[in-house]
Amino acid sequence: EVQLVESGGGLVQPGESLRLSCVGSGITFDDYGMNWVRQAPGKGLEWVAHISATSSTIQYADSVKGRFTISRDNAKNSLFLQLNSLTAEDTAVYYCARDWNYWGQGTLVIVSS
Amino acid sequence: EIVLTQSPATLSLSPGERATLSCRASQSVTSYLAWYQQKPGQAPRLLISDASNRATDIPARFSGSGSGTDFTLTISSLEPEDFAVYYCQQRSRWPLTFGGGTKVEIK
Repeated sequence: EVQLVESGGGLVQPGESLRLSCVGSGITFDDYGMNWVRQAPGKGLEWVAHISATSSTIQYADSVKGRFTISRDNAKNSLFLQLNSLTAEDTAVYYCARDWNYWGQGTLVIVSS
Repeated sequence: EIVLTQSPATLSLSPGERATLSCRASQSVTSYLAWYQQKPGQAPRLLISDASNRATDIPARFSGSGSGTDFTLTISSLEPEDFAVYYCQQRSRWPLTFGGGTKVEIK
């Protein structure tokens, strides 16, 4: 069974950091670009970051540039997102996606004092 | 940034009816336009890539058309499981962007 499983979400205070992980099973990462997408409560989808198969191309949404860092470990079928300097506007479910066909179930990040 | 405008915001239809959803881009995205379906509490599901190519296992009642700045997702005959929110996405230029969504609800 193909699965992408995100983890690492939780409740943090403004200014704090989190590291999200996305691990694939029954699916290969090596040859595919990976993305993070988020969805604030009751809102639409927002693309966050992209990393190419070899990590040679990395792109970020303007809203997270300089604060978030995407990375991957193909040997471990894993994708990561380091979230720094979090604000209330970062509160959302964060999804990982492989070539847009395969998505995880999401991990919830809540930023609140 | 390319802005995608979806219309209408809400579409109220009955099962068996035809649904026509629109997505307009602020500048040309050629054919790099995708459509997704999302149900409450679930991740988005890819329906259409490159404006008109159905993803794996997507029923033939879903079809996409258009190029440049104007795109359409058509559901030929709504099934009960099709009532959901639909998003378009452009992959032509960074940053990637999504439209605001169209909710297809039961009339």
